[in-house]
Amino acid sequence: DQQVKQNSPSLSVQEGRISILNCDYTNSMFDYFLWYKKYPAEGPTFLISISSIKDKNEDGRFTVFLNKSAKHLSLHIVPSQPGDSAVYFCAAHSRGAQKLVFGQGTRLTINP
Amino acid sequence: NAGVTQTPKFQVLKTGQSMTLQCAQDMNHNSMYWYRQDPGMGLRLIYYSASEGTTDKGEVPNGYNVSRLNKREFSLRLESAAPSQTSVYFCASSELLSSYNSPLHFGNGTRLTVT
Repeated sequence: DQQVKQNSPSLSVQEGRISILNCDYTNSMFDYFLWYKKYPAEGPTFLISISSIKDKNEDGRFTVFLNKSAKHLSLHIVPSQPGDSAVYFCAAHSRGAQKLVFGQGTRLTINP
Repeated sequence: NAGVTQTPKFQVLKTGQSMTLQCAQDMNHNSMYWYRQDPGMGLRLIYYSASEGTTDKGEVPNGYNVSRLNKREFSLRLESAAPSQTSVYFCASSELLSSYNSPLHFGNGTRLTVT
């Protein structure tokens, strides 16, 4: 029962273009969402988050959008840079729960 | 500032052997976690410790035990390793338990192979 799904295992984008990573969830109790970025042989690092009371959060080149009615969030990276090549995990948290639920991850490759 | 340190980085075990994965954090965080990462499965929580002296099961606790030795250290033990425990294990810490403004800080992982 995958409550958080990243349906695209991989994505390839040209440098300078926009990268859009998608995440869907099924649990309507989720009220906080996060994106983590992971390089090979390293642990995931926190990238950006959004509360369910918002529909957009922006931090430099990274913007996360939340569509509660569709139970969908997306991460936009503009412009994409070679250093953005990594695996991106979305994660969700529900009030009162003791854990984050992670998606399967999407491998983003930025081509020069 | 080392953050979260895990040892060892790599380990190969035979079925039935035991081992302990070590984790230490130097950020004075209250909560610590053990996750495993498997292809196509994302990160799944094995055990967590909300604060020193407490531990609780996560999604996939079977076959594992944990010890919160002190505020800094949280170890994961495999008593009798099985091939299904082949995975990459990540330790993480956070200031508060799964709090909105308290993101997880991860170590660099331990790659475990059980033959």
